[in-house]
Amino acid sequence: LAKTTQPISMDSYEGQEVNITCSHNNIATNDYITWYQQFPSQGPRFIIQGYKTKVTNEVASLFIPADRKSSTLSLPRVSLSDTAVYYCLVSGSARQLTFGSGTQLTVLP
Amino acid sequence: DARVTQTPRHKVTEMGQEVTMRCQPILGHNTVFWYRQTMMQGLELLAYFRNRAPLDDSGMPKDRFSAEMPDATLATLKIQPSEPRDSAVYFCASGFSQGDILSTDTQYFGPGTRLTVL
Repeated sequence: LAKTTQPISMDSYEGQEVNITCSHNNIATNDYITWYQQFPSQGPRFIIQGYKTKVTNEVASLFIPADRKSSTLSLPRVSLSDTAVYYCLVSGSARQLTFGSGTQLTVLP
Repeated sequence: DARVTQTPRHKVTEMGQEVTMRCQPILGHNTVFWYRQTMMQGLELLAYFRNRAPLDDSGMPKDRFSAEMPDATLATLKIQPSEPRDSAVYFCASGFSQGDILSTDTQYFGPGTRLTVL
């Protein structure tokens, strides 16, 4: 099982870029890296997924170094509504899904 | 806008009672996941179904929990008998799996069932 480690919490201000890093030292060859966002009283919501290098979509970018032992979720110009818990998920063909403890991002005005 | 639905949204019961939680996956999805979320343990995978067959339920206490998919539109999670330590939010998620690489599947989560066992 690929275990993930994330910072427990982060604070930022509106308009800033936020980078949240996840460590997954024993990631397997078949594992992809997925990030989810969770608001209070809601289920997690898919943000972005990648395997290596850089992936970008309309809400975020995901940077994965060559050794794939970590990944960084980048949120450009955050707003108050981005306050949520962000989870890094690494899983693969072992059919075991491990959500980390998540990072509570608080965006301040 | 297709969504995963879960019922009930809230359930309060007494210790020893049977609890049944229901999930309707998104039409066309062939994988269903059951998770439990608590402050202490975070998100834990309880069971995973693919094409209605249980592929992994190793995260589920077998003596009291059971998960089934009577048909493609309904997944159930039962607890009998319930205990106070079962109090948590239970999430169902569905997705479409195109291969054996589970990690490529995007999961769509329902709103959860908040269970309180007194």
